[in-house]
Amino acid sequence: AQRVTQPEKLLSVFKGAPVELKCNYSYSGSPELFWYVQYSRQRLQLLLRHISRESIKGFTADLNKGETSFHLKKPFAQEEDSAMYYCALSRPGANSKLTFGKGITLSVRP
Amino acid sequence: DTGVSQNPRHKITKRGQNVTFRCDPISEHNRLYWYRQTLGQGPEFLTYFQNEAQLEKSRLLSDRFSAERPKGSFSTLEIQRTEQGDSAMYLCASRVSTGELFFGEGSRLTVL
Repeated sequence: AQRVTQPEKLLSVFKGAPVELKCNYSYSGSPELFWYVQYSRQRLQLLLRHISRESIKGFTADLNKGETSFHLKKPFAQEEDSAMYYCALSRPGANSKLTFGKGITLSVRP
Repeated sequence: DTGVSQNPRHKITKRGQNVTFRCDPISEHNRLYWYRQTLGQGPEFLTYFQNEAQLEKSRLLSDRFSAERPKGSFSTLEIQRTEQGDSAMYLCASRVSTGELFFGEGSRLTVL
């Protein structure tokens, strides 16, 4: 069975501080990993996916197959980063569903 | 707004009543998903359509739940004989092939 674990519910940091949102997964094979973000009063939207290897809004995430982790990082948090973040996993292929973690609230204080 | 559209946005009903939610995906998206999200949880998969065919259903989808996608366009999710445990946000999402999954704003159900 596939599972995504986000061990923390809330992370509160000051503006300019580094951020790391943890995500661990359980999957037998090579999954696709994603981070989704939900800003206040907005719909859930894709932030980044591991196969893109992009940096979006200053965020990066590296897939560590040995540790089965996909932590989301940003060196300098901004107030506009305050949101709910969800890590998600799917098996490769078009006919696949996403399995989400419980999410973490990031609060960036001025 | 040409994104995924869901209605109604909020529904309050009494236990035992039937409710129906509608989802209009982005027009060229052939894959449509329904998820349910309860407080403190991430979205949980309910069911998935490719065009008009329902290809997968979660065990969460009891016999009281039915989803359709006639003609491969909009989709409906009906809950019969609602229970208080059905109170949740029901999310619809769509995409093409392996592309990005786009979510709607959700339909919040409150069962009294």
